[in-house]
Amino acid sequence: GAVVSQHPSWVICKSGTSVKIECRSLDFQATTMFWYRQFPKQSLMLMATSNEGSKATYEQGVEKDKFLINHASLTLSTLTVTSAHPEDSSFYICSARGIYSSYNEQFFGPGTRLTVL
Amino acid sequence: AQKVTQAQTEISVVEKEDVTLDCVYETRDTTYYLFWYKQPPSGELVFLIRRNSFDEQNEISGRYSWNFQKSTSSFNFTITASQVVDSAVYFCALMEPGANSKLTFGKGITLSVRP
Repeated sequence: GAVVSQHPSWVICKSGTSVKIECRSLDFQATTMFWYRQFPKQSLMLMATSNEGSKATYEQGVEKDKFLINHASLTLSTLTVTSAHPEDSSFYICSARGIYSSYNEQFFGPGTRLTVL
Repeated sequence: AQKVTQAQTEISVVEKEDVTLDCVYETRDTTYYLFWYKQPPSGELVFLIRRNSFDEQNEISGRYSWNFQKSTSSFNFTITASQVVDSAVYFCALMEPGANSKLTFGKGITLSVRP
């Protein structure tokens, strides 16, 4: 149980375009989803926390107008990178906490590798 | 503010050697959770262990063992008789309590196990 999927697993886009990444909890309902970014050979950095039905809370330094997060249902959160630029190329990972999970449980998706040309 | 330090950046060992990955953390809370994750080349994070701050018992799971010492704020991870499949990046992470409790990751340790 507790499977989280991400789609797409990888994407290549041109500079200036927008890219949407989906994060789905497949076998549980997720009240909270987290979005992380990981640059090559670096650690995971939390970008934002989203609760179903409410606006996401962004970490300091993360542009909320550039990284649009929508958590419209208990099984789906989306991250849209708007007007992507090469410096946005990164590995984006989501995690989800279930409606019946302890606050200390997060289940991670497999990640989405974004390359902006 | 919480912080996780993994001072070792890269470790290389020969198969069957034992290896210990260090993790030191900082937090002001008395209640917190510590984690270890493995990230193989595929990129997907693999959960290894979660430990709460009130449980200082060491844990062993097969070739893996963890040593939690609150006195030194350390949560070290030992792999016994390492194997090539253990090659990966290993992250230690800390979570403080709260409704939107966040994971703070260390910088990770790249472990290479040579045949």
